Amino acid sequence: IAGITQAPTSQILAAGRRMTLRCTQDMRHNAMYWYRQDLGLGLRLIHYSNTAGTTGKGEVPDGYSVSRANTDDFPLTLASAVPSQTSVYFCASSDGGLSPQHFGDGTRLSIL
Amino acid sequence: DAKTTQPTSMDCAEGRAANLPCNHSTISGNEYVYWYRQIHSQGPQYIIHGLKNNETNEMASLIITEDRKSSTLILPHATLRDTAVYYCIVRVAGVKAAGNKLTFGGGTRVLVKP
Repeated sequence: IAGITQAPTSQILAAGRRMTLRCTQDMRHNAMYWYRQDLGLGLRLIHYSNTAGTTGKGEVPDGYSVSRANTDDFPLTLASAVPSQTSVYFCASSDGGLSPQHFGDGTRLSIL
Repeated sequence: DAKTTQPTSMDCAEGRAANLPCNHSTISGNEYVYWYRQIHSQGPQYIIHGLKNNETNEMASLIITEDRKSSTLILPHATLRDTAVYYCIVRVAGVKAAGNKLTFGGGTRVLVKP
């Protein structure tokens, strides 16, 4: 079934450690996105990529980095995790513009 | 993007139509109305979107008032699996610089009861 795969499903991580959340899509969508979801705050955009080779900052980019080496993959890296990065992270993709965004099932990350 | 207002929660009976209202009184002419839902422990799922005409797909119908200040998402025959949080989102056309982000508000918690 076509869609978005995120890994890991969940992770407990010690503060200060480096962590990469993986996201792969098989729909050949140009645009990909990373959101975090926290109770009472809804989903907030971290980083996005309109096409392979380009990335941009969302509304909460600090402490996160992304890369887009090819169309299918859009990893999100926490260089040095902090407890405030405890959240559920969702990856999404779309054909860009006004096309609907399709989401993965998320990675539940706890930073201790 | 224009702000949206939705009821916090609503119940509906299984097999009946569920009508979910959304107010977007400050919507601009180039802003689309999108509906997503999020079932517990899953990622948001796209349902439908429209500009000014009513729209229908296999999941739902979207009715937009003539002045575009409000809309209603209709689930024609609600099932227990339709229990979710439903988000009404307004997006501006042609915005690339902001990454085409979706701004999710609080949504409406819909509980479908047997």
